[in-house]
Amino acid sequence: QKEVEQNSGPLSVPEGAIASLNCTYSDRGSQSFFWYRQYSGKSPELIMSIYSNGDKEDGRFTAQLNKASQYVSLLIRDSQPSDSATYLCAVNPPLKRDRLAFGKGNQVVVIP
Amino acid sequence: DVKVTQSSRYLVKRTGEKVFLECVQDMDHENMFWYRQDPGLGLRLIYFSYDVKMKEKGDIPEGYSVSREKKERFSLILESASTNQTSMYLCASSPPHGAGSYEQYFGPGTRLTVT
Repeated sequence: QKEVEQNSGPLSVPEGAIASLNCTYSDRGSQSFFWYRQYSGKSPELIMSIYSNGDKEDGRFTAQLNKASQYVSLLIRDSQPSDSATYLCAVNPPLKRDRLAFGKGNQVVVIP
Repeated sequence: DVKVTQSSRYLVKRTGEKVFLECVQDMDHENMFWYRQDPGLGLRLIYFSYDVKMKEKGDIPEGYSVSREKKERFSLILESASTNQTSMYLCASSPPHGAGSYEQYFGPGTRLTVT
């Protein structure tokens, strides 16, 4: 079982709509969760971190964490063409000393 | 803001050459990481350093070594470059264990081509 899974294929959303991305993780003891945005040819950029169950909002981004079900989500409201990127989910597994396990990412394409 | 810089954005080397990739961070972070990223394979950890002169192997250390002589600098060394090491190499840094935060900040990446 992979530590972090992002199974959805490329996501196309019209401009102004909500993009929803999901991520599941295998280690129930994980405590720290992150979303990174990566534009084509660029490096990952941290956009959200979440540590407690529930929702965390930052501008148009909302991260949702459900530790009982072992998933973390990212919502992008009012999607803009500039949101077109690959989004990586990352988790800090216990016993892995400051390392992060990354999902393979979900590509989002916002259609004007 | 955290600033992580890498010595080159693009690099072309020949098979068998020794290659040095350098990374510098200015946030006094204890932890530094080297990853490679390939299409379909995602980010894979090569090596990790949690202090000066300290290192741990990641998931794919074969063919690589690292050096951390100063806190702000972490070097990745390809002892004898091979074509299967053609990849995007990403350096990252993060606060230390116990700081309560495991956020990693990435440099711009080095796209290495080995011919």
